[in-house]
Amino acid sequence: AQKVTQAQTEISVVEKEDVTLDCVYETRDTTYYLFWYKQPPSGELVFLIRRNSFDEQNEISGRYSWNFQKSTSSFNFTITASQVVDSAVYFCALRIIQGAQKLVFGQGTRLTINP
Amino acid sequence: NAGVTQTPKFQVLKTGQSMTLQCAQDMNHEYMSWYRQDPGMGLRLIHYSVGAGITDQGEVPNGYNVSRSTTEDFPLRLLSAAPSQTSVYFCASSYLGDYEQYFGPGTRLTVT
Repeated sequence: AQKVTQAQTEISVVEKEDVTLDCVYETRDTTYYLFWYKQPPSGELVFLIRRNSFDEQNEISGRYSWNFQKSTSSFNFTITASQVVDSAVYFCALRIIQGAQKLVFGQGTRLTINP
Repeated sequence: NAGVTQTPKFQVLKTGQSMTLQCAQDMNHEYMSWYRQDPGMGLRLIHYSVGAGITDQGEVPNGYNVSRSTTEDFPLRLLSAAPSQTSVYFCASSYLGDYEQYFGPGTRLTVT
C-alpha cells in the first residue's frame, strides 16, 4: 500500500523567511510519481510539480525548489523569501504507475505567511 | 476549453436526502475520478473511471454511486446523505497513462 505523510500540520513564518515543507512517502513500487499541489484560500487545487522516481535531480522554479531523495523517501518543498501570497495548504501526493491512476495524498500542511 | 467543471459549488442537504454532484470535462480525458477532502486527511479517492461504461471503487466508496455513460460526464450520487458525508468534493480527469490530473473547483457539501 502507498502512504504519504506530511508531519507538519501548520507552519507560520514571517514574510521573506525561507520555509521547507516536508513530505515522506511509502511504496513498494519502484516506478512512481510524486506531486505537490497548492490549495489557496479560494479552494482550488493548483498543480506545482511532478517528479518521477527515476529522476532525483532537484528542481528550482523561481522561489520554489524541490529536494527528492529516494534514500530517505522524501520529497521536500522549499519556498525561498516567502510572500503573503504563498499562504495556502500544500499537499504532497504519490501515484504509482501500475493499476489505477489514483493519487494518494498527504494530510496537507497549512502555511501562513505573516506580513 | 472549460477544463473540469463541477456543479453545484455549494449544497446543504438534510440527512436522508439524495442528490447528484455533477462533473464534466471537455478535454476528451478517458480517466475521471472523485475525491473527498476532509480536514487533516488530505484528499481520498471515492470512485474512478477509465472510460465510458467502466467504473471502480477507490478508498472510501461507501455511500456513493457513480456511472459513466459518456466520456465527458462523471456524476457522483449520494443515495441517502449522512452527516459523515459533509466534505469538499473534487472531480479530476486526465488521459490514461498521463502524469497530471486536472481538478475541478470543488463542491462544498454540508449534511445536517
